[in-house]
Amino acid sequence: DVKVTQSSRYLVKRTGEKVFLECVQDMDHENMFWYRQDPGLGLRLIYFSYDVKMKEKGDIPEGYSVSREKKERFSLILESASTNQTSMYLCASSSRYEQYFGPGTRLTVT
Amino acid sequence: AQSVTQPDIHITVSEGASLELRCNYSYGATPYLFWYVQSPGQGLQLLLKYFSGDTLVQGIKGFEAEFKRSQSSFNLRKPSVHWSDAAEYFCAVVPGGATNKLIFGTGTLLAVQP
Repeated sequence: DVKVTQSSRYLVKRTGEKVFLECVQDMDHENMFWYRQDPGLGLRLIYFSYDVKMKEKGDIPEGYSVSREKKERFSLILESASTNQTSMYLCASSSRYEQYFGPGTRLTVT
Repeated sequence: AQSVTQPDIHITVSEGASLELRCNYSYGATPYLFWYVQSPGQGLQLLLKYFSGDTLVQGIKGFEAEFKRSQSSFNLRKPSVHWSDAAEYFCAVVPGGATNKLIFGTGTLLAVQP
């Protein structure tokens, strides 16, 4: 079974803090994705990566950056957290089209 | 604009009743189509997918979906709903071409009455 793990299920941070969300997959997938999920808006793509050290912006990259130094790990970085970044963050990986998701990190910025 | 539409935000059904969740897309070519389910506080789990071939596809947990090209639809069905099916359901599309990005609908929240 594909396993995608995320470093935290719940996280509370203060405005202005630098926040790291980590995602690890164990299936040697080339592609990894970060989404945020908000009520009524569905899932929106923040960033994705097709290969190590490769990254591409998704639909809502503002305020976020990413890092992929190893194939199995994809990190989402909030350089200076703001209250409007309070959300559920979901990581996914894929080899082709079907994506496999982690359990999510619910981030609250106060 | 290209989009994926799930017209029902909330649906309530009785346990044992049949279920149909609607999904429409507005991409020109036949996309790759998916249904995911999300239980409260969890990530998304793939229920089923359609790439080509037989337009009726079977998935896990007793779900099936039918692709109708003429209606640009990919509706999810289950003949008899169980209380454990209460969750949020997302339709998703890979529009085709060089991308493998998923485009999601906004979801349908299913409640199951005893």
